[in-house]
Amino acid sequence: LAKTTQPISMDSYEGQEVNITCSHNNIATNDYITWYQQFPSQGPRFIIQGYKTKVTNEVASLFIPADRKSSTLSLPRVSLSDTAVYYCLVVKGLDSSYKLIFGSGTRLLVRP
Amino acid sequence: NAGVTQTPKFRILKIGQSMTLQCTQDMNHNYMYWYRQDPGMGLKLIYYSVGAGITDKGEVPNGYNVSRSTTEDFPLRLELAAPSQTSVYFCASSPRDRGANEQFFGPGTRLTVL
Repeated sequence: LAKTTQPISMDSYEGQEVNITCSHNNIATNDYITWYQQFPSQGPRFIIQGYKTKVTNEVASLFIPADRKSSTLSLPRVSLSDTAVYYCLVVKGLDSSYKLIFGSGTRLLVRP
Repeated sequence: NAGVTQTPKFRILKIGQSMTLQCTQDMNHNYMYWYRQDPGMGLKLIYYSVGAGITDKGEVPNGYNVSRSTTEDFPLRLELAAPSQTSVYFCASSPRDRGANEQFFGPGTRLTVL
C-alpha cells in the first residue's frame, strides 16, 4: 500500500516558483501519482497526474525520477490565490481494488 | 453541468440518530467515492463504487453503508451516529477511462454529532 510523505507547510512569495516534493517509497509498477489542491471549505481539485518523467499542463509541472519513489509538484510564479493545501496521492492501476490514501497534505502560504 | 452535488450542506445529529448523505453527479461517471475529512487532516476513503450495483470498502468503512442503484446517485448512510463521525464528508466521481486519477469533488457536507 503506497503511503505518501509531504512537508507539512511551506511559505513563499508572489512571483516565486514553488516546488513541493512527495515521497512514496512503496509505489508499485501500476501506480500513478496525482496531485490535488484544496481551498478552505471546498472539495479538492485535480491539478496534475503522471506516471514517469515530466508532465506539464497550464497550471503546474510534475517531475518524477526514474525510480518513481518521489515526485515534485512545481508551481511557476505563484500568486496569493495559490495559498491552499496540496495533496499527493498514489493511485492504483485500473485492475486493482482502490486503496486511495491522501496524506495530510502541504499547506502552502503565499505572501505578498 | 452541475458536476457533483451534495445535500445537505450542514447537519447536526444527536448520538444514535441515523441519516443519509446524498450525492449526485451529472457527468455520467462510472466511479464514485465517499471520503471524510477531519479538521486539519487529509481525506480518508470510506466507500467507493465502480458502477451501478458495485460497491467496495475503503479505509474507514465502519459505521457507514452505501448503495449504488443508478449511475448518478451514491448515497451514504450513517446508522447510529457517534461523535467520532463528526467530520466533513466529500463525495467524488471520476470517468472510467481515468480510473481514480482525476476525481471531481462535491462541495462537502459538514456533519456534527452531539
